[in-house]
Amino acid sequence: AQSVAQPEDQVNVAEGNPLTVKCTYSVSGNPYLFWYVQYPNRGLQFLLKYITGDNLVKGSYGFEAEFNKSQTSFHLKKPSALVSDSALYFCAVRDIGTGRRALTFGSGTRLQVQP
Amino acid sequence: GAGVSQSPSNKVTEKGKDVELRCDPISGHTALYWYRQSLGQGLEFLIYFQGNSAPDKSGLPSDRFSAERTGGSVSTLTIQRTQQEDSAVYLCASSLVGSGGENTEAFFGQGTRLTVV
Repeated sequence: AQSVAQPEDQVNVAEGNPLTVKCTYSVSGNPYLFWYVQYPNRGLQFLLKYITGDNLVKGSYGFEAEFNKSQTSFHLKKPSALVSDSALYFCAVRDIGTGRRALTFGSGTRLQVQP
Repeated sequence: GAGVSQSPSNKVTEKGKDVELRCDPISGHTALYWYRQSLGQGLEFLIYFQGNSAPDKSGLPSDRFSAERTGGSVSTLTIQRTQQEDSAVYLCASSLVGSGGENTEAFFGQGTRLTVV
């Protein structure tokens, strides 16, 4: 079975400071990993994905994530947070080995960036 | 259209009534997914379509829930005899299928907020 854990319900960071939103996953095979962002009363927007290749993945709005196979993690990072980054962030995984197509999502982490 | 379109955006229904939720995916996307998001919760997978067939229905919570997809495009999620616990935002997403059979990233619609009173 595939699963995702986002251990922090909320992350608070001051504007201009670096931010990290944590994600760990569990799969039986190799993972496809994704980050999505949800702004209030909006649908989910794709941020970035890891399929294969470089462990450091760069995405939209200056976000990046690092795939760490030994730690089964895919933490989302940004060097300098903006107030407009405040939103709900979801990590998602698909286990390539199972052939299952659907993504399994984490419970979400609310990012609050203070001015 | 340019994105995934869902209708209605909001639906209030009485307990026991049937409802139909519609999803119009991005043109050319053969994969389509339905998810449910309860207030303050993560996303719960419901069903996956590849073309018109649904190889993964494992997330449908009961036999009151069903979905179909016609013409490899529009999908309808039907909930019969709605219950208050069905209240949630129902999200639809679509994606391409790559040359190796892998699904690319999914693009989500704005969702339908269902309230059962």
